Amino acid sequence: AQSVTQLDSQVPVFEEAPVELRCNYSSSVSVYLFWYVQYPNQGLQLLLKYLSGSTLVKGINGFEAEFNKSQTSFHLRKPSVHISDTAEYFCAVSDQTGANNLFFGTGTRLTVIP
Amino acid sequence: EAGVAQSPRYKIIEKRQSVAFWCNPISGHATLYWYQQILGQGPKLLIQFQNNGVVDDSQLPKDRFSAERLKGVDSTLKIQPAKLEDSAVYLCASSLRGNSYNEQFFGPGTRLTVL
Repeated sequence: AQSVTQLDSQVPVFEEAPVELRCNYSSSVSVYLFWYVQYPNQGLQLLLKYLSGSTLVKGINGFEAEFNKSQTSFHLRKPSVHISDTAEYFCAVSDQTGANNLFFGTGTRLTVIP
Repeated sequence: EAGVAQSPRYKIIEKRQSVAFWCNPISGHATLYWYQQILGQGPKLLIQFQNNGVVDDSQLPKDRFSAERLKGVDSTLKIQPAKLEDSAVYLCASSLRGNSYNEQFFGPGTRLTVL
């Protein structure tokens, strides 16, 4: 079974400042890793994914994440945030051998302060 | 390309009443998922369909929840009778296939409030 831990439930940050949202996972099998964003009253949108290869992955809206297998982490970063980045961010894992099911963390609310 | 459609967007009912949600996946997507997202938590998979067959319903509370995907396209999720703890957003997602990695595309969700 897989599990995902997002240690920070809320992260306030000033506009144009850098941000890191932390994600740690646990799994007995190899996994794929994802970050999703959820804007108010909308569904989830894929930000980026790690399937294989380079451990540094780049996604949409200037976000990137780094897969660290030894620390079982997949932290999300952005060097300079905008007001429009205010949203809920979810880290998720999927079993590489399974049926494409996603297991989500509890989410991190990013609030960008003008 | 049209995205995943869901209706209604909002629903308020009293406990012990019944409710149904509808989902229309992206055209050509064989796999359809229903997730339950309780306030303050991440989405949790309830059921996964491959065409019109169930792949995984291990997290579906079968005493009150049911789902079907007739003809392998649209799907409905029903709760009968509803409990207070069923208050949540119900998300529908679809993907081309359900094996290995296939990107899931999410609908806007149905927000259910049980009073």
